[in-house]
Amino acid sequence: AQSVTQLDSHVSVSEGTPVLLRCNYSSSYSPSLFWYVQHPNKGLQLLLKYTSAATLVKGINGFEAEFKKSETSFHLTKPSAHMSDAAEYFCVINAGNMLTFGGGTRLMVKP
Amino acid sequence: DAGVIQSPRHEVTEMGQEVTLRCKPISGHNSLFWYRQTMMRGLELLIYFNNNVPIDDSGMPEDRFSAKMPNASFSTLKIQPSEPRDSAVYFCASSFRTGEKAFFGQGTRLTVV
Repeated sequence: AQSVTQLDSHVSVSEGTPVLLRCNYSSSYSPSLFWYVQHPNKGLQLLLKYTSAATLVKGINGFEAEFKKSETSFHLTKPSAHMSDAAEYFCVINAGNMLTFGGGTRLMVKP
Repeated sequence: DAGVIQSPRHEVTEMGQEVTLRCKPISGHNSLFWYRQTMMRGLELLIYFNNNVPIDDSGMPEDRFSAKMPNASFSTLKIQPSEPRDSAVYFCASSFRTGEKAFFGQGTRLTVV
């Protein structure tokens, strides 16, 4: 069995401040982990993925995530938020040929 | 490549009617996924195919939902009969292999009134 928990359903930050979106997982297998972003009225876009190579993964638009096996976490970070980052973010796990999605975190960026 | 193509983009139908959502995956991709997004449940995986064969349909909510993949370039998700609680955005995605990067379509927004 596997599961993904996004700890915050909503996160609000000011433009220019750091972003932290939290994701914890549970899996019996060595998982692949992904972060996707969904902007309003658009399809999902892959931000980054971890597949057992480097534990610190850099993605698009300045985002990165660190895979911490001891903490079973894969938190998404960005040093400085931009207004265009406002969107819904999904943490996804693939283990044993099965995809499981987190519930999503809505990121709001205040000017 | 045009990416994953879903049709229609928007569908409004009356309760009890049959609804068919369509998806054309990226050419050469062997895995295809159907997802549903609602405010209540977030994003859910409904079913996925590998080489046109349904691998796991445990996410399909009930017998009113069915999915087919008659060939490598086309899949349908059918709801019969539709109900208002089926209103959601339905996404299709494809990947070269399960676990590889998945490419998503733009989604179909379904409204059942």
